[in-house]
Amino acid sequence: QKEVEQNSGPLSVPEGAIASLNCTYSDRGSQSFFWYRQYSGKSPELIMSIYSNGDKEDGRFTAQLNKASQYVSLLIRDSQPSDSATYLCALGRGNTPLVFGKGTRLSVIA
Amino acid sequence: DARVTQTPRHKVTEMGQEVTMRCQPILGHNTVFWYRQTMMQGLELLAYFRNRAPLDDSGMPKDRFSAEMPDATLATLKIQPSEPRDSAVYFCASARGISEEKLFFGSGTQLSVL
Repeated sequence: QKEVEQNSGPLSVPEGAIASLNCTYSDRGSQSFFWYRQYSGKSPELIMSIYSNGDKEDGRFTAQLNKASQYVSLLIRDSQPSDSATYLCALGRGNTPLVFGKGTRLSVIA
Repeated sequence: DARVTQTPRHKVTEMGQEVTMRCQPILGHNTVFWYRQTMMQGLELLAYFRNRAPLDDSGMPKDRFSAEMPDATLATLKIQPSEPRDSAVYFCASARGISEEKLFFGSGTQLSVL
């Protein structure tokens, strides 16, 4: 089992809908969880981080973490075409580099 | 606006040629990472440095890849000889620490080996 699993997509949602992106992980020692967004032809950029179980909201974005189920998700409310990108889930553990998933490609249809 | 600078942006070369990619990390960041991104493998960590010292390069083929940080403002990734399977986007990223959540990525080098 890979360390970080994401559905590669594409995930297509209509404009204004909620996009739900999911990530599962195998390392129970993971302590920190991140979502990076990568537009086509660009570099990844951090959009959300979460460290404890539950929800964390930032504008239209909500990160959800369930350590017992080894599951982290990103919800994007009122999806816009400008949200179309690849979303990378990343995990951190102690003093080691982040481990990235392969990403889920999101397409928001106007 | 602080950013990581990578050169070149694009590189097309023939199999067997040497390729050198350069990275200038953000001033004050003491950790530098080299990643390779492909559709099949996603974002793979090749090597990383802290305070210019290499900490781990187990992610890259030792026989053809080498990574160095000759000074705090320059990191290099070299492939010699290059092979078609090396075609990918290579990203440099810098951070204040190894497990620092916010990695600042450069624009990447799109490498095509023919």
